[in-house]
Amino acid sequence: NAGVTQTPKFRVLKTGQSMTLLCAQDMNHEYMYWYRQDPGMGLRLIHYSVGEGTTAKGEVPDGYNVSRLKKQNFLLGLESAAPSQTSVYFCASTNGARGGYTFGSGTRLTVV
Amino acid sequence: AQSVTQLDSQVPVFEEAPVELRCNYSSSVSVYLFWYVQYPNQGLQLLLKYLSGSTLVKGINGFEAEFNKSQTSFHLRKPSVHISDTAEYFCAVSDENGNKLVFGAGTILRVKS
Repeated sequence: NAGVTQTPKFRVLKTGQSMTLLCAQDMNHEYMYWYRQDPGMGLRLIHYSVGEGTTAKGEVPDGYNVSRLKKQNFLLGLESAAPSQTSVYFCASTNGARGGYTFGSGTRLTVV
Repeated sequence: AQSVTQLDSQVPVFEEAPVELRCNYSSSVSVYLFWYVQYPNQGLQLLLKYLSGSTLVKGINGFEAEFNKSQTSFHLRKPSVHISDTAEYFCAVSDENGNKLVFGAGTILRVKS
């Protein structure tokens, strides 16, 4: 079982460039999430989805967009990258609050 | 809305000593509580969870946590730590009707020989 797979694992962007991070899960989970992790700040929710075709804003959505066209995939886009978006990005999925989340291994993004 | 406070950013401890990582939460409704562990350069792994019932919850790798509703706490404990327990630990809370986890800032456990 692959669980939650994130691609790419590492990326360096120049300020103003765009990119898309892909999250794929093979557990048939309804809910998917994108978090960013910064030192001393824990994980902060960027966007999430409660089902195919739905998305919602989290705690820190500015500068990011998401899409959930297929149940198994959740894409995170940066239209114009900024140095403040340098972070480690984690995708997670679950079938409900009681089960806890399954996390991907993360994408380390550096914006220069 | 829920919030989580992890009271220690770093906890150094010698191998085979006991450890407690502290977590307090705030919520106006019933909650589910979780502890996750993150080893260097890896994703987060579920350590244990409290949903209901017994307030003492046992997890993987010999960890346990106790839910205290009156003190709104969910402290993580291990009676004897190993070098391999060196990692960052995150406490998280979710309300019963929601599907969003709110995380604390994390506690780095450093086990020394």
